[in-house]
Amino acid sequence: GEDVEQSLFLSVREGDSSVINCTYTDSSSTYLYWYKQEPGAGLQLLTYIFSNMDMKQDQRLTVLLNKKDKHLSLRIADTQTGDSAIYFCAEWYAGNMLTFGGGTRLMVKP
Amino acid sequence: NAGVTQTPKFRVLKTGQSMTLLCAQDMNHEYMYWYRQDPGMGLRLIHYSVGEGTTAKGEVPDGYNVSRLKKQNFLLGLESAAPSQTSVYFCASSASGSSYEQYFGPGTRLTVT
Repeated sequence: GEDVEQSLFLSVREGDSSVINCTYTDSSSTYLYWYKQEPGAGLQLLTYIFSNMDMKQDQRLTVLLNKKDKHLSLRIADTQTGDSAIYFCAEWYAGNMLTFGGGTRLMVKP
Repeated sequence: NAGVTQTPKFRVLKTGQSMTLLCAQDMNHEYMYWYRQDPGMGLRLIHYSVGEGTTAKGEVPDGYNVSRLKKQNFLLGLESAAPSQTSVYFCASSASGSSYEQYFGPGTRLTVT
């Protein structure tokens, strides 16, 4: 399958912005996603971006896509303790499959 | 609406035993998926189905079988469990492929000793 890479861990203070980064390898990806997983739960879709877009904003969330560098980022403004979770980026490519990164654990300190 | 439910939530098996994990969805979704989640590796697709009566292999299908006899149910079977199959298993469903959101169940934690 294709590779999706993320850093393992990010720690921020409450009220700061968080930026979670992801790189992918398949240039033919059509959609790229951010999912959130809280402890003991399944994944929840946060947002997605179509590959012909550079940016998408949804309330506190901003997704940036750099197709040239195959780099995707998720910015969470005014990070709260409730944002502590594991965040996965994923890409959709041909074959009805999502490929997930290994996940970034976000810890928000009060 | 229960969404996606999984049975059981936890299970411990001995090597060589068999078991079936059940996934059910009440959203009339066409697509259903089984993933496994291992530490630091994200989710990997085991098998999926694009409709009742159809199944297809994902990234890591070996050692697993699936069946989709009814649209709302997707079963994952382990015929002869191995310690390497110790993992958390997630089922998901979606209305269609690509941009449609995949809805995930709460997971089944399986330990094979």
